[in-house]
Amino acid sequence: QLQLQESGPGLVKPSETLSLTCSVSGGSVSNNNDFWGWIRQSPGKGLEWIGSISNSGQTYYNPSLKSRLTLSLDTSKNQFSLKLTFVTAADTAVYYCVRVVPMNYDVLTGIDDFWGQGTLVTVSS
Amino acid sequence: DIVMTQSPDSLAVSLGERATINCKASQSVLSSSNNKNYLAWYQQRPGQPPKLLIYWASTRDSGVPGRFSGSGSGTDFSLTISSLEAEDVAIYYCQQYYNNPQTFGQGTKLEIK
Repeated sequence: QLQLQESGPGLVKPSETLSLTCSVSGGSVSNNNDFWGWIRQSPGKGLEWIGSISNSGQTYYNPSLKSRLTLSLDTSKNQFSLKLTFVTAADTAVYYCVRVVPMNYDVLTGIDDFWGQGTLVTVSS
Repeated sequence: DIVMTQSPDSLAVSLGERATINCKASQSVLSSSNNKNYLAWYQQRPGQPPKLLIYWASTRDSGVPGRFSGSGSGTDFSLTISSLEAEDVAIYYCQQYYNNPQTFGQGTKLEIK
């Protein structure tokens, strides 16, 4: 059974960089058929798609976050990561890592069939 | 972005009764090339991450009970639970994956009456 687990600091200061890692077990991030993504959930904005990355490193970023966002893949560790720069209180949320089953290769979208448990990140000084 | 609007925001249904949640997209999520609706439904129980229930608007994911069904096309969709069970208490979200960014509805909270 595929399992995903987020890790990273729970508290980040405003204007600093939020860094999270998702460790994958029971499967491989090198699987040609899958993408790997991040979704966040906050009381004010609900569920928000952040972005996704394929096993070849092809990425899609939500345009609202694109200028601050970097996704990466580490096949040797079977992990993928998120970096979000210049964070503000609006970035406070529970961050989920997900496996994405591609359904529309034209725009790199899909369904999220496996989710990590989520990690709460609070942006505060 | 495609805006997904769910109704109602909350719903209370008696055990064994039918529950229906609606989702409306600001533009069609039906592809003319394959005649498929790029619409999924997720269930989020308290303290848990969302769980995929349905994709292509009406295809149940593996292991999802038969009492869950999805319907609709174009811009208007529904999720129906035919006979409510206690474990179905959750927030339900629709999601479109027709275009980027993928977007979710605001959620519908389902409770027991």
